[in-house]
Amino acid sequence: DAMVIQNPRYQVTQFGKPVTLSCSQTLNHNVMYWYQQKSSQAPKLLFHYYDKDFNNEADTPDNFQSRRPNTSFCFLDIRSPGLGDAAMYLCATSRDGTGYEKLFFGSGTQLSVL
Amino acid sequence: KQEVTQIPAALSVPEGENLVLNCSFTDSAIYNLQWFRQDPGKGLTSLLLIQSSQREQTSGRLNASLDKSSGRSTLYIAASQPGDSATYLCAFSGNFNKFYFGSGTKLNVKP
Repeated sequence: DAMVIQNPRYQVTQFGKPVTLSCSQTLNHNVMYWYQQKSSQAPKLLFHYYDKDFNNEADTPDNFQSRRPNTSFCFLDIRSPGLGDAAMYLCATSRDGTGYEKLFFGSGTQLSVL
Repeated sequence: KQEVTQIPAALSVPEGENLVLNCSFTDSAIYNLQWFRQDPGKGLTSLLLIQSSQREQTSGRLNASLDKSSGRSTLYIAASQPGDSATYLCAFSGNFNKFYFGSGTKLNVKP
């Protein structure tokens, strides 16, 4: 029944060691989003894909990249993780991104940086 | 800059109480407003969605209202239960498919 699936559930990486988080969806939605959420804070939008069209937020550090090889999958790459990048990373989807639709979230990946 | 404020940040109530969570936003040109539930260390689950043309939505013991002119939304939970304990976040969508979140209200319902 899972519709937005994030792997892994927990990820531990070393300072400066590249890491990739993955997200897949069975909803066939056009839009996929990546949010960063630190403890007790609001989820912060990093970027989103409308189909293959990548949309970066102005304040997203260059250290964060994303790939969407097909409709179902989207990846978040952190090129050189710092201690400040430790957070919950949430993937979400919406059908057409008109702004009138629900957001569907995965369970998140909790990233620790040692 | 879009801002979403949720008050209170935390709330503790005895089981059975009715309660209201508040959300305010700065941009009246919203497309929709959603309320989410987040359990510790988990993702977000959509509870209710209110389109910009609507005033309220109901699902079971939950009722959400929207007042665009004042930039406010409330989530009403009737007859609260310990299983309602979680963090409740509101988010509104504006242009370009973007959703803006508040930092949530952490609810504890005591048995």
